[in-house]
Amino acid sequence: DQQVKQNSPSLSVQEGRISILNCDYTNSMFDYFLWYKKYPAEGPTFLISISSIKDKNEDGRFTVFLNKSAKHLSLHIVPSQPGDSAVYFCAASAHNNDMRFGAGTRLTVKP
Amino acid sequence: DTAVSQTPKYLVTQMGNDKSIKCEQNLGHDTMYWYKQDSKKFLKIMFSYNNKELIINETVPNRFSPKSPDKAHLNLHINSLELGDSAVYFCASSWTSGRRTGELFFGEGSRLTVL
Repeated sequence: DQQVKQNSPSLSVQEGRISILNCDYTNSMFDYFLWYKKYPAEGPTFLISISSIKDKNEDGRFTVFLNKSAKHLSLHIVPSQPGDSAVYFCAASAHNNDMRFGAGTRLTVKP
Repeated sequence: DTAVSQTPKYLVTQMGNDKSIKCEQNLGHDTMYWYKQDSKKFLKIMFSYNNKELIINETVPNRFSPKSPDKAHLNLHINSLELGDSAVYFCASSWTSGRRTGELFFGEGSRLTVL
């Protein structure tokens, strides 16, 4: 049972435009959400997180939005840069330390 | 000075063999994990150890046995390898404060191919 879903396996955007990556979850016990970025032949690296008490967290070009009622979160990257091309994983955890990941979305930013 | 290192990075072996993947972290974290990334690209947690004690053991065949000799190491031993064990295995570590897990720091992954 996939409790964290990323329904878009890939996304392509033009450099300078906004990239929006989406994630849905089913477990209402999740209260902490994270985005990880993964380059080929490397492990995922932490990008940004948000607690369920917030609906937005911003860090430079990256902003994560959380809609608890819809069990949906999104990652906005603006402006997108070619170096942002990677696979982005959405993750969620409840207070039991069990962090669940989605299948990832491959972002390609074209120059 | 890699934070989380795992060896080997690539492993090709025959069905029925026994193999181990080693993981070490130098971040001083108190919790370590093994994740499996299967052909569908999902990252699935297998095991979690906090201060050398097993705290998460997902539905994983008992052919998989984690061993944590100390807080900085979590090795994964796999007996009687099967074709379906082919995957990329990621080691990770984190701080756990109370019952909240901080962000995970991952190793580069170990690609296991069972022929």
